[in-house]
Amino acid sequence: NAGVTQTPKFQVLKTGQSMTLQCAQDMNHEYMSWYRQDPGMGLRLIHYSVGAGITDQGEVPNGYNVSRSTTEDFPLRLLSAAPSQTSVYFCASSSFRDRNHEQYFGPGTRLTVT
Amino acid sequence: GQSLEQPSEVTAVEGAIVQINCTYQTSGFYGLSWYQQHDGGAPTFLSYNALDGLEETGRFSSFLSRSDSYGYLLLQELQMKDSASYFCAVRVTDSWGKLQFGAGTQVVVTP
Repeated sequence: NAGVTQTPKFQVLKTGQSMTLQCAQDMNHEYMSWYRQDPGMGLRLIHYSVGAGITDQGEVPNGYNVSRSTTEDFPLRLLSAAPSQTSVYFCASSSFRDRNHEQYFGPGTRLTVT
Repeated sequence: GQSLEQPSEVTAVEGAIVQINCTYQTSGFYGLSWYQQHDGGAPTFLSYNALDGLEETGRFSSFLSRSDSYGYLLLQELQMKDSASYFCAVRVTDSWGKLQFGAGTQVVVTP
């Protein structure tokens, strides 16, 4: 199993550009989520999904869109990049069958907006 | 507001024991998790407590007291590879997986 994969690993955008961060998991997990992590801070939830076709907002959703058309994929779209979106983005997944609610994280995408 | 408080940094020598405390004030509470993150890496799961008491997994143990809104992670027999950031995270709703993270504790292990 590859686990949770994210592409790209690094990205530089100019203000106003849009892009999509890709996330995929091969563990057949129902739950997927996107977090951002800023220096010296914990992770903040952007959006999450409990299954294909179902998404909801987390703590910091503004400026981001998501969709979940398949169990495996959960892309994150930045509509019009701003310097405040410079961050490290982590995708995570977990299984409803796991009583520990363990979340498996991808390696992250390091985004810089200039 | 909602908050999770944990110390910003702890330094200890190899072989020692370190306790990382986490106090929380959240709108809801369904469980406390701990994650480890090495520099530049992805967070990895360490433990989860939904009920009061101690959970032990090898050199790591986690404790929860819901009445005190308090938990801790205990790292025993510290090794150099334990140098990392440790995050507590509260499951704040019964919606699967919605976690609120603390700011993290940097553990520095010295020889």
